Amino acid sequence: DAKTTQPNSMESNEEEPVHLPCNHSTISGTDYIHWYRQLPSQGPEYVIHGLTSNVNNRMASLAIAEDRKSSTLILHRATLRDAAVYYCILRLEYSGAGSYQLTFGKGTKLSVIP
Amino acid sequence: DAGVTQSPTHLIKTRGQHVTLRCSPISGHKSVSWYQQVLGQGPQFIFQYYEKEERGRGNFPDRFSARQFPNYSSELNVNALLLGDSALYLCASSLLLAGISDTQYFGPGTRLTVL
Repeated sequence: DAKTTQPNSMESNEEEPVHLPCNHSTISGTDYIHWYRQLPSQGPEYVIHGLTSNVNNRMASLAIAEDRKSSTLILHRATLRDAAVYYCILRLEYSGAGSYQLTFGKGTKLSVIP
Repeated sequence: DAGVTQSPTHLIKTRGQHVTLRCSPISGHKSVSWYQQVLGQGPQFIFQYYEKEERGRGNFPDRFSARQFPNYSSELNVNALLLGDSALYLCASSLLLAGISDTQYFGPGTRLTVL
């Protein structure tokens, strides 16, 4: 199975941008890159996903390398509420009808300093 | 709109017992997936169901089983509980329409403690 590699932890100052890196050198052509985050005692929360092109939404931006072997989640202005474990995930497709599973690693624990 | 709901929120069982966990997906979502999250680790995929059929299975023993009902809600059953089954069990729902970019939305989880 394709794997992702993320730093165990990162720190950011409040109201500054945060760049969370992810390596996925064994990604296949049909694997989507998903990012989720998980606050303590909660289920994972969807952040953003993409296939080849950079993506933006109200929560974050996703920058995908041209060779798709790495990606970066960008939080434009970190707030205290962004402190969480961030998971970079490859969505593994099953054959037929769009079935898939999300394969989580250990993620990056982001701390936001006031 | 209500998100994914799971019941119960917490559960304590003893070794050898059986447990049933329940999940109601977001309205309109036809697929439910189950994940196990052991403390300090990321969630691990157990099952995916769509239209009452199993569509995917992770690397879990046969003690784990699940089913999906006509209203798309789902149950996860675990037999002969072991101490190592203590974890947060997460349910996620999605549309799962072929050919579109789909994503999963997670519930708050059920915390299972096996003594």
